Order: sequence, then C-alpha cells, then structure tokens
Amino acid sequence: DGGITQSPKYLFRKEGQNVTLSCEQNLNHDAMYWYRQDPGQGLRLIYYSQIVNDFQKGDIAEGYSVSREKKESFPLTVTSAQKNPTAFYLCASSIGASVGQPQHFGDGTRLSIL
Amino acid sequence: KNEVEQSPQNLTAQEGEFITINCSYSVGISALHWLQQHPGGGIVSLFMLSSGKKKHGRLIATINIQEKHSSLHITASHPRDSAVYICAVSGLSYNTDKLIFGTGTRLQVFP
Repeated sequence: DGGITQSPKYLFRKEGQNVTLSCEQNLNHDAMYWYRQDPGQGLRLIYYSQIVNDFQKGDIAEGYSVSREKKESFPLTVTSAQKNPTAFYLCASSIGASVGQPQHFGDGTRLSIL
Repeated sequence: KNEVEQSPQNLTAQEGEFITINCSYSVGISALHWLQQHPGGGIVSLFMLSSGKKKHGRLIATINIQEKHSSLHITASHPRDSAVYICAVSGLSYNTDKLIFGTGTRLQVFP
C-alpha cells in the first residue's frame, strides 16, 4: 500500500546536537511538507518542496534545514540553532503544485530534548 | 486572531449522540479540509470540499462560502470516533497547496 513513512517515532536529542528526521513516500507525489505541532497550536509549516532539488521556507524555518535529492525522500534536520525543538513533527505529501490538493500525512516523530 | 478558528476546543459525548464541530475562517480559500488525528499522532484526511456538502459513512461535512464557515457532523457517534478533528484551509495562492490549520477539537465519546 502506498503511504508516507516517518522514522523514528520517538527521538531524543542532547543540547547542541543536530538530528535528522526521515520522511519517505511511495505515492509518486511531487510536493512534500514538514510541519511542527505544539500543544494548543495548529500545525505550522517548516519547509515545503514542490519538486525534486527545490524547496522553500515555511513560516518557522529558522533552526531547520531540508534536502530533496530524490522525489520520494524529504529529510528534515533540526539543528542546534533551533532553541526549542521539543515538538511533534509531521511530514505530508500531495500530488503537486495545484491549489487545494489533499495532503497525505505520516504518523509523525516526537522529538524531545535530554 | 487566528485565520482559522474551531469550536468547541473540547467535546465529550455519549455513544450514539449527534456531534457537530464548527470551523470559521477569515481568508479567501480554494478548499477546506477536515482531518482526523488519532492519539498516536497520525493524521488522516477526511474531507476536502470547496462548496456544498460531502458525506462518508457517518461523517458529513458542509461549507458555506459566503459565511466562511464549515461544519463537521458525526451521526451515531462511537468511542472509536474519539480523536482530534482539525480544520484546515487552502488559501487563494497560486502554485501551492499550503494549508492554514485550526488548533483542533478534541472529541471523546464514552460508551
């Protein structure tokens, strides 16, 4: 079955460490997204990519980096510059650059600081 | 003020009750989405609509574009419906389907 796989489900980071969250999709979708979810807040967009080798900053990109070398993969790195990284991170994908396409979500990664 | 507001924030119901969750938005939109987030965190897309009404099983979603308002109804609610329901809108922007999310409605259905 097609879908989005995020790994790991739980991740712990020491202060000053970079960590990378994995997101893979086999839906043949062009567009991929990373969101952050904090208690009591709506999902906020970190980065998105509409096509391979291209990505744009979302609303809260500071302290994060991404790459899109393959269509099916969109890893997110949480750098040491992100001062409050503890959150739930969700990856999503959609068919492509058309307004109003439904997004398919992964099961998320919960990141905590040790 | 958030661009997408949901009410109520929390909702409890007895099994079998009819449930309504509301979503109001303040921006021009191309589509509105209803999403379901289960306790483990994964999100499932329930509906995407730009006008009128859609039905899937016991779930019904309606939208009134003029009033900038949408409702999600659950008929004959069941404990397995317990989840967070999230409203999101696709803004009127070209060449992207970025979503603006509400903060969600936490529903608990008791047997």
